[in-house]
Amino acid sequence: GAVVSQHPSRVICKSGTSVKIECRSLDFQATTMFWYRQFPKQSLMLMATSNEGSKATYEQGVEKDKFLINHASLTLSTLTVTSAHPEDSSFYICSNSEQGDGYTFGSGTRLTVV
Amino acid sequence: QKEVEQNSGPLSVPEGAIASLNCTYSDRGSQSFFWYRQYSGKSPELIMSIYSNGDKEDGRFTAQLNKASQYVSLLIRDSQPSDSATYLCAVKAGGYNKLIFGAGTRLAVHP
Repeated sequence: GAVVSQHPSRVICKSGTSVKIECRSLDFQATTMFWYRQFPKQSLMLMATSNEGSKATYEQGVEKDKFLINHASLTLSTLTVTSAHPEDSSFYICSNSEQGDGYTFGSGTRLTVV
Repeated sequence: QKEVEQNSGPLSVPEGAIASLNCTYSDRGSQSFFWYRQYSGKSPELIMSIYSNGDKEDGRFTAQLNKASQYVSLLIRDSQPSDSATYLCAVKAGGYNKLIFGAGTRLAVHP
């Protein structure tokens, strides 16, 4: 099946700084990637849909100026958390949109803002 | 009303027993249904997908779908302690490419 590589796996940053998370599709061309956020003991919440070569589609309540998504190529989508605050601390996960039997997730990024 | 609902648990079963996990969804247009397993601190991994009414079996796992009742379930036979995890039900919204997740059911299999 499809392989999605996500980096970094863990990052600690200071409040007010920006953090970039990368998600690469290793063996397929991903025109669409999904970005989720998961708080402790909660389910995955879709933040946005990343579309190659065009603007991302954000879910209701997600600030597009705070969570910048770039999908400049068919193998790389990035999520940048700008001006991070402690409440942005969460587990961020990307997935592909492979047709067929389910979607494949990246390994996730644990973000801690101090 | 939540789009995908699951009992949060924890569901505790003894080793070797059958674990039954349930999920209901609100969008009648949904066509694709998935069960994911998520260990603490890890990302979800796909266990089963089901698209048609009825049962689908894969090893110790059986997914059941009833579109009329808008109900999906996952049975785990011969449960093992290594099955202890959170099980997420996901539904592909009708007409869209995105998955909607339930809150997850935490399963604990005790020796």
